[in-house]
Amino acid sequence: QKEVEQNSGPLSVPEGAIASLNCTYSDRGSQSFFWYRQYSGKSPELIMSIYSNGDKEDGRFTAQLNKASQYVSLLIRDSQPSDSATYLCAVNGGGGADGLTFGKGTHLIIQP
Amino acid sequence: EAGVAQSPRYKIIEKRQSVAFWCNPISGHATLYWYQQILGQGPKLLIQFQNNGVVDDSQLPKDRFSAERLKGVDSTLKIQPAKLEDSAVYLCASSLVAGGAGGELFFGEGSRLTVL
Repeated sequence: QKEVEQNSGPLSVPEGAIASLNCTYSDRGSQSFFWYRQYSGKSPELIMSIYSNGDKEDGRFTAQLNKASQYVSLLIRDSQPSDSATYLCAVNGGGGADGLTFGKGTHLIIQP
Repeated sequence: EAGVAQSPRYKIIEKRQSVAFWCNPISGHATLYWYQQILGQGPKLLIQFQNNGVVDDSQLPKDRFSAERLKGVDSTLKIQPAKLEDSAVYLCASSLVAGGAGGELFFGEGSRLTVL
């Protein structure tokens, strides 16, 4: 069974600092990797996707993928209080039959 | 563009009762998913539909859960009989890509079930 592991936190980061969130996955055949943000009481929303090794930047967010180590990370630069949420790592093995497998999420708190 | 619609938003039932949740995906989205999210955990895939066919229901507890997607649009998820451990948020999601690893799932607001 595919597994996605995340540190549940909470991870507390001062405002303006870099928040670093990590995720490992068990299925070496996984092809697509995603970070979703979930505010308390709300549904998940996609913030980043990454498909190949290396870094992908989008505004204050950078996703990093290392398939050899089965490791995905998300960096949030210049953290803002509005970034306080649970961040879910999700993995898709590829092909039409695979829905996303989610980790438990990391609860991030940005301290003003 | 309208998002994924779900109802009811909240439901409280006694154990052994039945409940049904409804989902209307984003127009044109071929793939529909039902996820179960227990408090403090990530969403767990229950069932994936491609149009009106089931693609993956390997984690659906088929002795009590059932789902259908008639005409390839709306979907219903039913639980009968409910157990205490079914208390969770049931999230419906849809994606545009047909038969591929689209990845960008659009979630509805969820249906929160409490089983007493």
